[in-house]
Parts: sequence; structure tokens; C-alpha cells
Amino acid sequence: GQQVMQIPQYQHVQEGEDFTTYCNSSTTLSNIQWYKQRPGGHPVFLIQLVKSGEVKKQKRLTFQFGEAKKNSSLHITATQTTDVGTYFCAVGSEKLVFGKGTKLTVNP
Amino acid sequence: EADIYQTPRYLVIGTGKKITLECSQTMGHDKMYWYQQDPGMELHLIHYSYGVNSTEKGDLSSESTVSRIRTEHFPLTLESARPSHTSQYLCASWGDYGYTFGSGTRLTVV
Repeated sequence: GQQVMQIPQYQHVQEGEDFTTYCNSSTTLSNIQWYKQRPGGHPVFLIQLVKSGEVKKQKRLTFQFGEAKKNSSLHITATQTTDVGTYFCAVGSEKLVFGKGTKLTVNP
Repeated sequence: EADIYQTPRYLVIGTGKKITLECSQTMGHDKMYWYQQDPGMELHLIHYSYGVNSTEKGDLSSESTVSRIRTEHFPLTLESARPSHTSQYLCASWGDYGYTFGSGTRLTVV
């Protein structure tokens, strides 16, 4: 089945620094989704990317889908303590396979 | 308000007991899922359903079973709980914009 590699596994930043997490697949993806899970919480849907080279923004979050549709990234500009959590990418069609996640901690 | 509900939120139970984790959604979604997640780890699909009377096993082998008698209800049952079943169980349904997850059940088997 489909698999996706997500890096890094952990990222610790100072508040105000930028953060990026990456997802890579060996096969072409039809789409990719991103979720955020706060500590002790459940995953919450952030966005879905479908088109080659697509870039979407949500306030300080920028999501990109690679031209070959084999990779994706989530970039947070000027992190805040509210950004703390684990960010997962997920692939598949209605039956998602999740990456291992990137756990972000922010030092105030 | 349309949502997905899981009960109980926390459960501590002895080895050998039978347990049922409840999951209900009010969004009218046909597709529902159960994922297992150890603390800080990735999510593993253990069961899914594409509609009433439809259930399938996921990628991670699980001793649990599920049923889908009504669209809104997708309970998960463990006939005989073991310490290896200790984990968080997340229920989700598929809508127009990806998964909506319930708050999860944190199960501890002692």
C-alpha cells in the first residue's frame, strides 16, 4: 500500500523562528492532506492539496505540493506557542495512511 | 451542531473484560474509521466501514471487532481485553474536507 515518509520526527524552535516539515512518497500521489494534533488531543484537518505545484496559505501556514506530486511541505512562519503539536501528512483516497508526524515544540 | 462523539473518554479496565468503545456521528457520513495511536506515535488504521452492514479490517491487525448497523453508529468491541490493547482509539468519519476525528478513547488495561 501507499507509504509516506515524514521528516523531521522532532523539531524544537524558539518562538518567532520558522518551521518546516516534509512528506515524501516514492509514488505519485493523487492528493495529500495535512492534520494537526495538539498534545493530548485528536488530529484536526488542516488542508488538502490536489494539483501539481499547488501552494495554499492559511495565515502563517504555507502548504506546498510538489510538481511531481511525490512530496509536500508545511511551513510555519514566525512560530507561536499555539503552534505546538504534531503535524501529520496523510495520503490515500478515503482510507488514509498517515506519516509518522513531526512533533513541534516552541520555546517562548 | 454536526460532530463525532466518542465515549468513554478514558477507560481503565482489568484483563479479560469485554469492552465496547462507542462512536457516533451526526453528519450523515457513510464512511467511518477506527485508528489506533500510541502516545506520540503514528496512527494505524484498524477498521473501516463504507456504509451500513459494511466493515473491513485495516492495515494493522487488531483483535477488536466492529459493527455498522446504523449509519451514525460505529462501535468497536474487544471481547477480552489485554494489557497489549492499552492505547488511544480514534474514530473518524469522511466528509467533504477529509477526516473529522472524535476526541478519542484512552484505554488502559491493567
